[in-house]
Amino acid sequence: ETGVTQTPRHLVMGMTNKKSLKCEQHLGHNAMYWYKQSAKKPLELMFVYNFKEQTENNSVPSRFSPECPNSSHLFLHLHTLQPEDSALYLCASSQEPPGNYYGYTFGSGTRLTVV
Amino acid sequence: GENVEQHPSTLSVQEGDSAVIKCTYSDSASNYFPWYKQELGKRPQLIIDIRSNVGEKKDQRIAVTLNKTAKHFSLHITETQPEDSAVYFCAASRGSARQLTFGSGTQLTVLP
Repeated sequence: ETGVTQTPRHLVMGMTNKKSLKCEQHLGHNAMYWYKQSAKKPLELMFVYNFKEQTENNSVPSRFSPECPNSSHLFLHLHTLQPEDSALYLCASSQEPPGNYYGYTFGSGTRLTVV
Repeated sequence: GENVEQHPSTLSVQEGDSAVIKCTYSDSASNYFPWYKQELGKRPQLIIDIRSNVGEKKDQRIAVTLNKTAKHFSLHITETQPEDSAVYFCAASRGSARQLTFGSGTQLTVLP
């Protein structure tokens, strides 16, 4: 493991289900992110948390609800999703400035299929 | 906001040849340019990065060049090997992940 762990690795859910994705980082980073990766599309930033505070929400539908209880854990709560929400959901962490910024460490992702 | 364009979207090369992937960015204040490699079914991993105070950086078979005036940067892979086959993403940032913008990715295939 690279230090960012995501569970579950695969998830199939119906449109009326409620499920949660979990991310944990063991790197001592102070920022965490949720990204959506769909086929043949750029990585789409969904949410940013810096020191547990949400600093960005990129017009994500309310059926996606993030939670960051501490700087090491990040959740994405899902409810009443649509088939077009099927994608790979990636969590990442980084150490924000001051000091040099060295980019993200990504988790392995959760492959979500909405049926 | 920042806009990053990446070309080509797919690239096939013979083993041993070189591969070049190019990205352009729009925000002149961007100062950090990482490249990520994502193998099939795996997480994106940082392979090399460059900051705006240098024009070129090398790490074994991989190099990145930056032209701040033209606002473009490129990834160069020499002596390609089959294990180089993956999707490569460029990105640009003002030095904070909150402002990291990714390109659309290049699927590189190295043919044996």
